[in-house]
Amino acid sequence: DIQMTQSPSSLSASVGDRVTITCRASQSISTYLNWYQQKPGKAPILLISAASSLQSGVPSRLSGSGSGTDFTLTISSLQPEDFATYYCQQSYSTPLTFGGGTKVEIK
Amino acid sequence: EVQLLESGGGLVQPGGSLRLSCAASGFTFSNYDMSWVRQAPGKGLEWVSVISGGGDITYYADSVKGRFTISRDNSKNTLYLQMNSLRAEDTAIYYCAKVACSSSSCPCDYWGQGTLVTVSS
Repeated sequence: DIQMTQSPSSLSASVGDRVTITCRASQSISTYLNWYQQKPGKAPILLISAASSLQSGVPSRLSGSGSGTDFTLTISSLQPEDFATYYCQQSYSTPLTFGGGTKVEIK
Repeated sequence: EVQLLESGGGLVQPGGSLRLSCAASGFTFSNYDMSWVRQAPGKGLEWVSVISGGGDITYYADSVKGRFTISRDNSKNTLYLQMNSLRAEDTAIYYCAKVACSSSSCPCDYWGQGTLVTVSS
C-alpha cells in the first residue's frame, strides 16, 4: 500500500500569510495526487486534482505542484474562509490512501 | 446539480450488520465509478471501497475486505455498502462520493453529507 505523509499536522497562521503544506508518497505516484478541504461538520471538497489542476470555483490563491513522491499545496494569501483541514490523497493505485491531514488555524 | 444522499446509519452492536444507501441525482449515474470514504470521530479520512460504473469491478481497503460489500443499482441510481461483522473501530461517518470519471484513478469530485455508524454494545 502507498503511504501518504502530510506535514505539518497543524499550523497557525494569520490572514494574508503564505501557507505551504507538503505531502509525500512512499513510492512514485506520478501526478495522481488530489487535495481536499474539510471544514468542521462538513463533507470534504475537492480543491485540486492531478497535482496541479484547480477545480472550477476554487480561488486562484490556492495552487498545487509536484510529481513523483513530493507535492505541495500553497495558499498565497490566507483568507478567513481558508481556515480548515486539508488532506492529500493518492489515486495512483488501490487502496486509495489519504494523508493524515493538516489543520490550518488562526494565529 | 449533483446530489448524493446517504441513509442507513445508526447504532449497531459489535458483530452486527448494517446496509448503507446513497441516492444519487443530477448526473448519469452509470457512467461513473462511486466510492465510500469514512471518518472516525475526530480522525482523518479513510478510503473504504470503490465500484466501477457497471458494477463489475470493486476494490476494498484491507481493513474492511471480507466484511463489507459495495454494490450499485443503476436502475435506481443508488449505491450501497453492506457492512457485516461490524467492530467498534468501524464507528465513523460514512461518505458516499462520486468519482470524477470512470476510473478509480480519478478523484472524488462530489460528496454526500455522510451518515453516522456507531458500533457499540
